[in-house]
Amino acid sequence: AAGVIQSPRHLIKEKRETATLKCYPIPRHDTVYWYQQGPGQDPQFLISFYEKMQSDKGSIPDRFSAQQFSDYHSELNMSSLELGDSALYFCASSAPMETQYFGPGTRLLVL
Amino acid sequence: AQSVTQLDSQVPVFEEAPVELRCNYSSSVSVYLFWYVQYPNQGLQLLLKYLSGSTLVKGINGFEAEFNKSQTSFHLRKPSVHISDTAEYFCAVKPSLYSGAGSYQLTFGKGTKLSVIP
Repeated sequence: AAGVIQSPRHLIKEKRETATLKCYPIPRHDTVYWYQQGPGQDPQFLISFYEKMQSDKGSIPDRFSAQQFSDYHSELNMSSLELGDSALYFCASSAPMETQYFGPGTRLLVL
Repeated sequence: AQSVTQLDSQVPVFEEAPVELRCNYSSSVSVYLFWYVQYPNQGLQLLLKYLSGSTLVKGINGFEAEFNKSQTSFHLRKPSVHISDTAEYFCAVKPSLYSGAGSYQLTFGKGTKLSVIP
């Protein structure tokens, strides 16, 4: 069965650079969620989209923005990167209000 | 708001022994409950979920969990563990469809690292 696809899988950036993470949901899933998992931490909800509109917002820094496109894929844009942004970033998708299925994650390292 | 407490951060257990990973939650609205597993350097995989109905839920890889509303618990169990079960396990909740919460994000516990000893 098709799963959530995230790209890139690994990313290394310097402080103050920008990064764009991409998420391709499971076919026919119209809701996308982004989570951040710091080293040794539990995943923390950042933001979600339903039908290309932001549906919920969690602990997403102002330096980050995200959107969902007409084909339902989503991008998380991160600017002015800080060392503390080093983490595993998960995307999950679901049918509306249904079970969330997670992608493999993008591991971001900020040097 | 919801919160999840996983009482044990690390659980070592011998191969073929039974294991129970504990999870308690707090919520002002009705919730759905989930267990996810994260193998080293991998993403989160859904093990099982409780939405409604029978309080005993069976998942993949021989795991099961029991929802106890009065104790607000959702403990995960396996009667005989394998080396391949070594991973981190996350309990999570989200407001139910009928809660009227308006927000359906998952709230995770801090995770329990299961180490299976040969």
